[in-house]
Amino acid sequence: DSGVTQTPKHLITATGQRVTLRCSPRSGDLSVYWYQQSLDQGLQFLIQYYNGEERAKGNILERFSAQQFPDLHSELNLSSLELGDSALYFCASSVGSSLRDEQFFGPGTRLTVL
Amino acid sequence: AQSVTQLGSHVSVSEGALVLLRCNYSSSVPPYLFWYVQYPNQGLQLLLKYTTGATLVKGINGFEAEFKKSETSFHLTKPSAHMSDAAEYFCAVAGAGSYQLTFGKGTKLSVIP
Repeated sequence: DSGVTQTPKHLITATGQRVTLRCSPRSGDLSVYWYQQSLDQGLQFLIQYYNGEERAKGNILERFSAQQFPDLHSELNLSSLELGDSALYFCASSVGSSLRDEQFFGPGTRLTVL
Repeated sequence: AQSVTQLGSHVSVSEGALVLLRCNYSSSVPPYLFWYVQYPNQGLQLLLKYTTGATLVKGINGFEAEFKKSETSFHLTKPSAHMSDAAEYFCAVAGAGSYQLTFGKGTKLSVIP
């Protein structure tokens, strides 16, 4: 158990819909990272927040957005969903903002878009 | 720009045999290098990392990797495979000063009894 929690574990929805994925980092960790894992694209970095502020952006679509709240939990919002958005979405947390800091991954949310 | 190539999407070894998983990277600046393991239906777990200093890095579960700058490689090894090593392994790179980890496509390791 990494100490990072993600809800829900599974999500099934239809094209065009909007969903919210939630992540609670390990106690004391200030950074939250979001990743997408799919068979086509592999594991891709989406976005990082550090202590409530956006720190870095990767291959995140404009239809996707995220935020980190004062209690440090984070939410990833996916809208206008397409079939190709079906994937595993991981959240990871680390104590600092540097990539040298170990990232602890949650168990993921499996999103299926029908 | 940075990228990672993992040679072999699937590797099979016999129990007790040497494990060698290959990773080559490209980075325009000195890299940070990582190996992660993913067990079925779980998130990724860090095995080991290289940031600076000693080029031979020891990690958890008996794994180690050597950073070879001249070969732009960071291959993962373990002298003797156990059944519990069966999982998918990911190599990742971040250029020093970068804010993004770039992952390889992964190598699925099977261990044959």
